[in-house]
Amino acid sequence: DTAVSQTPKYLVTQMGNDKSIKCEQNLGHDTMYWYKQDSKKFLKIMFSYNNKELIINETVPNRFSPKSPDKAHLNLHINSLELGDSAVYFCASSQDSSGSGYGYTFGSGTRLTVV
Amino acid sequence: TQLLEQSPQFLSIQEGENLTVYCNSSSVFSSLQWYRQEPGEGPVLLVTVVTGGEVKKLKRLTFQFGDARKDSSLHITAAQPGDTGLYLCAANFGNEKLTFGTGTRLTIIP
Repeated sequence: DTAVSQTPKYLVTQMGNDKSIKCEQNLGHDTMYWYKQDSKKFLKIMFSYNNKELIINETVPNRFSPKSPDKAHLNLHINSLELGDSAVYFCASSQDSSGSGYGYTFGSGTRLTVV
Repeated sequence: TQLLEQSPQFLSIQEGENLTVYCNSSSVFSSLQWYRQEPGEGPVLLVTVVTGGEVKKLKRLTFQFGDARKDSSLHITAAQPGDTGLYLCAANFGNEKLTFGTGTRLTIIP
């Protein structure tokens, strides 16, 4: 069973479109995250939810809106896609948000290409 | 803004050689993790270190946490092609998120 699964794996879309990426974890973790990995492989946090509550919202354009219907799911909706949004988006989960040293479990990523 | 610099950025060595990669920050971190990422996959946790001066071993991999809690190193003995990947350190600076390093892309040549 995949611990953190995100769909789709690949997403190619035109500028201006709206798209969603879904993420689900079956680990029973309380906290879920969205990270963006750019072409230089730098991973930057976008959002974090703990038990459905938003706890981290980094400087991300308003076009990005996360939604957590329950603690096992964290989806990412992107409006009016721009060329600069092209990247790999990773969902991750951790046991809690305390930062006490629990590792993150990552999904396999969604490669978004905006043309 | 806390930054984690990793060095070298790229490393290509022959199978059987030893190597060390580094992770440095100007700020103290409360814990540090090392991940390995392979193409098309997400990062996978290798180890977590929380105590200054701590050394952990995972088969041929040795992880060290600096005494001042501002740096860490990963040493690989007798590298194998299966060690190829992107190595990322990630630190917790006392807030509720992990900050990732700039990464070291390691290639082991058979």
